[in-house]
Amino acid sequence: DAGVIQSPRHEVTEMGQEVTLRCKPISGHNSLFWYRQTMMRGLELLIYFNNNVPIDDSGMPEDRFSAKMPNASFSTLKIQPSEPRDSAVYFCASGWPGENTEAFFGQGTRLTVV
Amino acid sequence: AQKVTQAQTEISVVEKEDVTLDCVYETRDTTYYLFWYKQPPSGELVFLIRRNSFDEQNEISGRYSWNFQKSTSSFNFTITASQVVDSAVYFCALSEASDYKLSFGAGTTVTVRA
Repeated sequence: DAGVIQSPRHEVTEMGQEVTLRCKPISGHNSLFWYRQTMMRGLELLIYFNNNVPIDDSGMPEDRFSAKMPNASFSTLKIQPSEPRDSAVYFCASGWPGENTEAFFGQGTRLTVV
Repeated sequence: AQKVTQAQTEISVVEKEDVTLDCVYETRDTTYYLFWYKQPPSGELVFLIRRNSFDEQNEISGRYSWNFQKSTSSFNFTITASQVVDSAVYFCALSEASDYKLSFGAGTTVTVRA
């Protein structure tokens, strides 16, 4: 299995621009998580999907952030408009709830907003 | 509310020393799952171990071992005979059966010196 695939790996954008981060979870996993990692705040859970349905988006910082999961094999995290304080590493992870599960993480997208 | 607490911010040891990382968690669920993840300097998040709340048996896997004690809500992790390649940030995480969100602690930076 190729694991969780995120794209792009690095993104540099200007303040005010729209940014879209993409994630392909591991086939068969029915849970998908978006995390943001910064030095100040550590690993923050932004949103969590189960069976393509958003279960908890309480971690999404502002209305500028939105996430979708149109099908079981694809998810996006969009920031519009982006701000310098959005600079962080964004991780996508997939797994399945239950006794024998762990979340597998993608390589992350390093976002820099200038 | 902070669900996972890693009180140690940084630990520095000399190669071949043992390293024990502390993790204290908080949950009202009777069924939950505990994890340790490693984040090496390259940045990816690597799953290490998982423990289910109904199994307090402690185990050893290679140089890794863990001590799960429900009475004190602790899930400590030990690296035996540390090596330079063990230098990384180690995260403890909790997933509750009620929602399966994966909540991370702040992480402990381990530096192993040659």
